[in-house]
Amino acid sequence: EAGVTQFPSHSVIEKGQTVTLRCDPISGHDNLYWYRRVMGKEIKFLLHFVKESKQDESGMPNNRFLAERTGGTYSTLKVQPAELEDSGVYFCASSPNPGQGRNEQFFGPGTRLTVL
Amino acid sequence: KNQVEQSPQSLIILEGKNCTLQCNYTVSPFSNLRWYKQDTGRGPVSLTIMTFSENTKSNGRYTATLDADTKQSSLHITASQLSDSASYICVVTHSGAGSYQLTFGKGTKLSVIP
Repeated sequence: EAGVTQFPSHSVIEKGQTVTLRCDPISGHDNLYWYRRVMGKEIKFLLHFVKESKQDESGMPNNRFLAERTGGTYSTLKVQPAELEDSGVYFCASSPNPGQGRNEQFFGPGTRLTVL
Repeated sequence: KNQVEQSPQSLIILEGKNCTLQCNYTVSPFSNLRWYKQDTGRGPVSLTIMTFSENTKSNGRYTATLDADTKQSSLHITASQLSDSASYICVVTHSGAGSYQLTFGKGTKLSVIP
């Protein structure tokens, strides 16, 4: 069974440009999460989808970030316009069943975003 | 404020030796604690999970302990192998507002050398 996949693996853009990250969760997983790791810091939660609905978006830093999960399958995270402080590794994770804290979240390899 | 602190920040050990990584947390309300292994360029992979009532959990050469009273956890690696070189991240799950969230430590970077 395929794991969580993310695209692209790396992205280098200039300040002010737009970037869209994609995450394909494990098939059948209702829960999809986005996380970010800024260099030197810990991984931090951004938001949580249950199917196509945003369950919790309390970690989204500001309105330059827009996450969607149309149809409840793959998800995209758009940053528009990108700023220097948005650089980091963006991880996606998925888990089965609705909102059970014991369920393991399976992480993708991450997208490394560099904003110049 | 929910926080997870890990020590040491980095560690170098010889192949075959044992090591112990530490994790202290101030997270509430506590649901469970996981240790993740993250290889370079990969996403974190869960090694162990412990709930409030569990004080030890093993997974092969990895043994995790949890003291819920002092809010401390450790990960002990026995007979280390070169493939153990990775970052080890302590993650605490906490519940609230109808959702579960994860608070991550910064990780301990372990290097196993021949």
